[in-house]
Amino acid sequence: DGGITQSPKYLFRKEGQNVTLSCEQNLNHDAMYWYRQDPGQGLRLIYYSQIVNDFQKGDIAEGYSVSREKKESFPLTVTSAQKNPTAFYLCASSTLGGGNTEAFFGQGTRLTVV
Amino acid sequence: GQQVMQIPQYQHVQEGEDFTTYCNSSTTLSNIQWYKQRPGGHPVFLIQLVKSGEVKKQKRLTFQFGEAKKNSSLHITATQTTDVGTYFCAGTSGAGSYQLTFGKGTKLSVIP
Repeated sequence: DGGITQSPKYLFRKEGQNVTLSCEQNLNHDAMYWYRQDPGQGLRLIYYSQIVNDFQKGDIAEGYSVSREKKESFPLTVTSAQKNPTAFYLCASSTLGGGNTEAFFGQGTRLTVV
Repeated sequence: GQQVMQIPQYQHVQEGEDFTTYCNSSTTLSNIQWYKQRPGGHPVFLIQLVKSGEVKKQKRLTFQFGEAKKNSSLHITATQTTDVGTYFCAGTSGAGSYQLTFGKGTKLSVIP
């Protein structure tokens, strides 16, 4: 089945630890995105990538890092520098241009830092 | 940077009443997209508007894109309990950028 997969669905970490969230897509999409969702805040863009080995900061990139070594994969690392990491994280992918560029979302990872 | 504002933040309606959410961008958009997120779920694409003044319909849902391509609206006629969820607009400014910026969403509650 084609789609975008995030894992794990729930993640618990101790304060001060780095944690990496996985995002894989088999839709052959060039663009991939990471969003953070907090209650009442909507979706805020962390990082996005339009091509392998290239990515751009979004609105709230501080305390996060990403890599795009393969077209299919766009992992997000939440570092210990992120002051309030507990949130719902959503990964998405889309085509670039050429008509409909709808974003397909994964099921999300709910991260809780204790 | 690009900002997309959406109002209202919450809307409670009686089943059968109409509902509208509005989206405004600080910059001219290449396109506007609308998504629906059910409680506990992830956003699901509804539609994309590209042309100035464009209007599209999906059954009871009507989507409009402003003439200046800086605002948009989603109107639901005769709401049903299945319409419950949060509706987001999202836009890109184009010019080679594919940064998809979302509004904060409108959470719709439908009272049976």
